[in-house]
Amino acid sequence: GAGVSQTPSNKVTEKGKYVELRCDPISGHTALYWYRQSLGQGPEFLIYFQGTGAADDSGLPNDRFFAVRPEGSVSTLKIQRTERGDSAVYLCASSPDDITDTQYFGPGTRLTVL
Amino acid sequence: AQSVTQPDIHITVSEGASLELRCNYSYGATPYLFWYVQSPGQGLQLLLKYFSGDTLVQGIKGFEAEFKRSQSSFNLRKPSVHWSDAAEYFCAVKGNSGYSTLTFGKGTMLLVSP
Repeated sequence: GAGVSQTPSNKVTEKGKYVELRCDPISGHTALYWYRQSLGQGPEFLIYFQGTGAADDSGLPNDRFFAVRPEGSVSTLKIQRTERGDSAVYLCASSPDDITDTQYFGPGTRLTVL
Repeated sequence: AQSVTQPDIHITVSEGASLELRCNYSYGATPYLFWYVQSPGQGLQLLLKYFSGDTLVQGIKGFEAEFKRSQSSFNLRKPSVHWSDAAEYFCAVKGNSGYSTLTFGKGTMLLVSP
């Protein structure tokens, strides 16, 4: 079946602009995660959804970052007033539940802030 | 807080030679442990995972890993490396009670020489 998909694959924006990154999880997966991977680093947790609600947003770096999952499927990560330090690959993952199940990752969105 | 250390940033192995990638974790109890592989432009793919039981786990693509509680390690091994194994490898840890985030190491880049 289809895996996790993310759009766009690449996004170039200017400092101060607003961006939205989209994630389509595997059908039926209730848990959805966002990670940020900076150059030379492993993925770092941003936020976790169980269904429609954000169960853990402790990884969001500041209030410029926000994510939604209104119908419990597709999720959008929103970044306001982008800064050059926001440049990274943003990864989305989904899993059937949040306890023991494996997280399945999408290919990521490479965000470049000029 | 849980953490993962991958001490080798880069490793070069000759094709056909054996491979061992090191991973040490920090967690108060026995965690859930994972190895993921990331090829250029690809999402993270799960190679194998350890939840409990047999400390030697087999994964896809001929990889295996051994959980050693006394050393807080979960090293990845392969007896004979193929050129297609060149990629970045990430070890990750997750708590084993209730909800817990997935924490990644910084990764080890594997280069395969002819």
